[in-house]
Amino acid sequence: DAKTTQPPSMDCAEGRAANLPCNHSTISGNEYVYWYRQIHSQGPQYIIHGLKNNETNEMASLIITEDRKSSTLILPHATLRDTAVYYCIVRDYTDKLIFGTGTRLQVFP
Amino acid sequence: GAGVSQSPSNKVTEKGKDVELRCDPISGHTALYWYRQRLGQGLEFLIYFQGNSAPDKSGLPSDRFSAERTGESVSTLTIQRTQQEDSAVYLCATSRASGPYNEQFFGPGTRLTVL
Repeated sequence: DAKTTQPPSMDCAEGRAANLPCNHSTISGNEYVYWYRQIHSQGPQYIIHGLKNNETNEMASLIITEDRKSSTLILPHATLRDTAVYYCIVRDYTDKLIFGTGTRLQVFP
Repeated sequence: GAGVSQSPSNKVTEKGKDVELRCDPISGHTALYWYRQRLGQGLEFLIYFQGNSAPDKSGLPSDRFSAERTGESVSTLTIQRTQQEDSAVYLCATSRASGPYNEQFFGPGTRLTVL
């Protein structure tokens, strides 16, 4: 079973920051937080992952709370092409990615 | 190529036929995963290969499903005596190595339709 809870849907205006929350209150100390997104009819696309520290790459930033029980994915300047389902995943030693239902982000003009 | 490739992109078959799906990993990626995504649902893990170790088959839904991979090369997922409930997109992912710190990169998937 997925170990994360995400809102089913969110809207964001183009050009604004999209902040996608994720709760993972049962996360263990050696489990990573991963974010993927899936644009309609395509395979999931890796976005970012982290363990304890905040992370940033060319796509997004990942903010993990100090107690690690929640995190936020930030798309700093959302575009229409960012419309997708975003999955927050807690990944353990078994290597499987267990996908939940994700957040459907709709970016509007 | 630069990414994971899968073939065919689409497969339509009749109930009871066998199908074979192919995954070409990113060069040098030792770990390979198969997932299934039914329409409107999330991804389900099927099977995982890491180098020459015994594969983790814990996600295979029945003995009609099998997969092979030789070393770090191509993998094939075979479904025997297909059923309508096998209709789904079958996704392959690979990573540099096993371990939760290595991101998985997905291919575009094979859409299987069983009539």
